[in-house]
Amino acid sequence: DTGVSQDPRHKITKRGQNVTFRCDPISEHNRLYWYRQTLGQGPEFLTYFQNEAQLEKSRLLSDRFSAERPKGSFSTLEIQRTEQGDSAMYLCASSSLTYTDTQYFGPGTRLTVL
Amino acid sequence: GEDVEQSLFLSVREGDSSVINCTYTDSSSTYLYWYKQEPGAGLQLLTYIFSNMDMKQDQRLTVLLNKKDKHLSLRIADTQTGDSAIYFCAERGQAGTALIFGKGTTLSVSS
Repeated sequence: DTGVSQDPRHKITKRGQNVTFRCDPISEHNRLYWYRQTLGQGPEFLTYFQNEAQLEKSRLLSDRFSAERPKGSFSTLEIQRTEQGDSAMYLCASSSLTYTDTQYFGPGTRLTVL
Repeated sequence: GEDVEQSLFLSVREGDSSVINCTYTDSSSTYLYWYKQEPGAGLQLLTYIFSNMDMKQDQRLTVLLNKKDKHLSLRIADTQTGDSAIYFCAERGQAGTALIFGKGTTLSVSS
């Protein structure tokens, strides 16, 4: 399967703990995106990378959030000092500049903060 | 600012056609997308249309774009129970690459 993969699929944590999610994009896709989706809403953009460079961050990405894509392949999203309001589905997508830049999504990581 | 709006629910009978509507505000949008999301899953790309097109057909799916009214629709022919899901409309402007999504339309198909 050459689709976008995310790990873990589910994460339950206590308030104040740090969590890290991983995304593996479709191979050879040079753009990678993170979105957050809360119940009853559409996905909201957080940040994106072109190769290893983080080119855009939304205002939703507070100081407690950090994302990396060190070698231009997989990416990690870390949330420090989690809060209950961080509970959401975190979606990763990837795209290729060479063909319409269409974004393909992974299965998501469901985060529950107790 | 940018905004995408969709009706929240649609209920149809199996075998009927479904039409899901979407309006957007960014006149500079270059691509418009339809994604499908099943419970607990990620988003599956269904189809997309470039802003200089009026219509695109792909098997049971027909996308219509009225750029003047900023209105996009997705028609599903011969709707099946497996089509029950949430359908998201999304736009992408020229300036950035982030997708702007609507809140989604929940399609319920009864047999």
